[in-house]
Amino acid sequence: GDSVTQMEGPVTLSEEAFLTINCTYTATGYPSLFWYVQYPGEGLQLLLKATKADDKGSNKGFEATYRKETTSFHLEKGSVQVSDSAVYFCALSGLDRGSTLGRLYFGRGTQLTVWP
Amino acid sequence: KAGVTQTPRYLIKTRGQQVTLSCSPISGHRSVSWYQQTPGQGLQFLFEYFSETQRNKGNFPGRFSGRQFSNSRSEMNVSTLELGDSALYLCASSSGRDRVPTEAFFGQGTRLTVV
Repeated sequence: GDSVTQMEGPVTLSEEAFLTINCTYTATGYPSLFWYVQYPGEGLQLLLKATKADDKGSNKGFEATYRKETTSFHLEKGSVQVSDSAVYFCALSGLDRGSTLGRLYFGRGTQLTVWP
Repeated sequence: KAGVTQTPRYLIKTRGQQVTLSCSPISGHRSVSWYQQTPGQGLQFLFEYFSETQRNKGNFPGRFSGRQFSNSRSEMNVSTLELGDSALYLCASSSGRDRVPTEAFFGQGTRLTVV
């Protein structure tokens, strides 16, 4: 079945450091891929998405490229800020049997802490 | 445009009781999905509703049920609560166009504590 594997961390960085959070997936067909972010006490916010191979999603300085050959969707940011401290989830949305729509398969999440 | 609204935000219940959580999706969205988030199991899919019909269901016992109304608002119900049901319950709405994976927008969640 469909699944997502991401590095669980925690990841601790100094401000302005480079960030990479690895995410690989297993899916049949052609899934859409997402990164969500969760701040303490909050729900999930969509950070970026890519819907087909070689697409690059980007938002707020974060980027991820949909790599079908390596089944990966790694999250990167060139210079992190203290305000980026949160939990990051990689997710895929595929074509389930008989239904697709909003079902997402999530990784376990990566806690990022950025120190000033 | 208002986001996804979940009520209540916090809930404390006793073992054996039942609980109903509510979710109002983004206006115009017809698909509502529910997820359970716990430290041990992460984010797990409960079920999805589209146009008042359950279209997909995760691997949860029958104590977990849901429904969707004609205005797309959804409720989920958990009967005979167990301590292990303590979790953050998240609702997500999406436009729900058939056969097209679409992005989901999440509410802030309902934090359920079972004592």
